[in-house]
Amino acid sequence: GQSLEQPSEVTAVEGAIVQINCTYQTSGFYGLSWYQQHDGGAPTFLSYNALDGLEETGRFSSFLSRSDSYGYLLLQELQMKDSASYFCAVKGDSGGYQKVTFGIGTKLQVIP
Amino acid sequence: EPEVTQTPSHQVTQMGQEVILRCVPISNHLYFYWYRQILGQKVEFLVSFYNNEISEKSEIFDDQFSVERPDGSNFTLKIRSTKLEDSAMYFCASRVAGVYNEQFFGPGTRLTVL
Repeated sequence: GQSLEQPSEVTAVEGAIVQINCTYQTSGFYGLSWYQQHDGGAPTFLSYNALDGLEETGRFSSFLSRSDSYGYLLLQELQMKDSASYFCAVKGDSGGYQKVTFGIGTKLQVIP
Repeated sequence: EPEVTQTPSHQVTQMGQEVILRCVPISNHLYFYWYRQILGQKVEFLVSFYNNEISEKSEIFDDQFSVERPDGSNFTLKIRSTKLEDSAMYFCASRVAGVYNEQFFGPGTRLTVL
């Protein structure tokens, strides 16, 4: 089966940098995605890593190490509006199908 | 800006009843997905759909569930006989072709089974 681990909560100060880690177990790995979800809202896609290395999109970066089954989301210059839940999601093989499994989500609280 | 739309925003039904949740994906997208999120829990993948057939599904997507693209714009999720544990927010998502590009999520339908 597939499983992911990420911290349940993180608190960081406005303007700072925060890193949210994600470790995963899967067979037939295709890629790791990150989504942001504000309370009561729909998930919003942030990034997708299929290959090792760092992907940068503005203030957000995502890193993947396939050999370590590990990735992280890096948020820089934190803003109050970044307070949300952040989910990592792995795409892999399961029972003959490709399957996407989401982590439990990390609730980020940005404080002044 | 194009967006995924879902109707209704909230559906209340009695246990054992059939429900159909409707989604209109972004017009040039080719891959369609359904997810669910039980209140306070993580997002769970249900099924993906491409070229008029299911391409991926999870163990949650059992015989009680079905999907259909009845015309060129709608993408529906049917639950044949709802159970209390089906109460959740159901999200539709779509994306263009390519290497797992960005999935655009709709606002969700909150299903309450009584």
